[in-house]
Amino acid sequence: SQQGEEDPQALSIQEGENATMNCSYKTSINNLQWYRQNSGRGLVHLILIRSNEREKHSGRLRVTLDTSKKSSSLLITASRAADTASYFCATADSGAGSYQLTFGKGTKLSVIP
Amino acid sequence: DSGVTQTPKHLITATGQRVTLRCSPRSGDLSVYWYQQSLDQGLQFLIQYYNGEERAKGNILERFSAQQFPDLHSELNLSSLELGDSALYFCASSVGTPIGTQYFGPGTRLLVL
Repeated sequence: SQQGEEDPQALSIQEGENATMNCSYKTSINNLQWYRQNSGRGLVHLILIRSNEREKHSGRLRVTLDTSKKSSSLLITASRAADTASYFCATADSGAGSYQLTFGKGTKLSVIP
Repeated sequence: DSGVTQTPKHLITATGQRVTLRCSPRSGDLSVYWYQQSLDQGLQFLIQYYNGEERAKGNILERFSAQQFPDLHSELNLSSLELGDSALYFCASSVGTPIGTQYFGPGTRLLVL
């Protein structure tokens, strides 16, 4: 079953604009990760944020985590056509005996040149 | 390039048949994960192996099985194939803990006719 749910399902923006994607989850987590997938290809890890962190940056990426609301957001600034891809959040449950990441269904981002 | 390799890239077969998908993890990674990605179900975790031993099971059908060999490569066996098994199958690897960064292979696209 899906733990993370991304919102929106699809997003279309102009090159140079910022893109914001949201992820909501249900249970307590150890960390939350964001991955990118270009069409039909393998997922690429973007960023990991631990449950005791509130914000993290990596280049043009900014991730926030609000554990009280069980939600995270991924902001891509100054988007480029090459950012066109699907973006997935994945949660690592903090419950004992949990040995897997649970992925959401993703947000499909289209950046129009 | 994640360092994870998967073969074959594409596989076309008929219902009722059996196929084997192969994965070689990144050098030094002890954990291997298998995922199935279909349009309607999203990315589903199937199974994890750590240093040759099964560590966690997800939504893996009884018709599917996997193993990890002493050289750490892994194989996913799919038998009595059905049309609904058509999907992208990804292998991922990590150093150890499943809740850290996972590195994904390029996937095997399976089409069951």
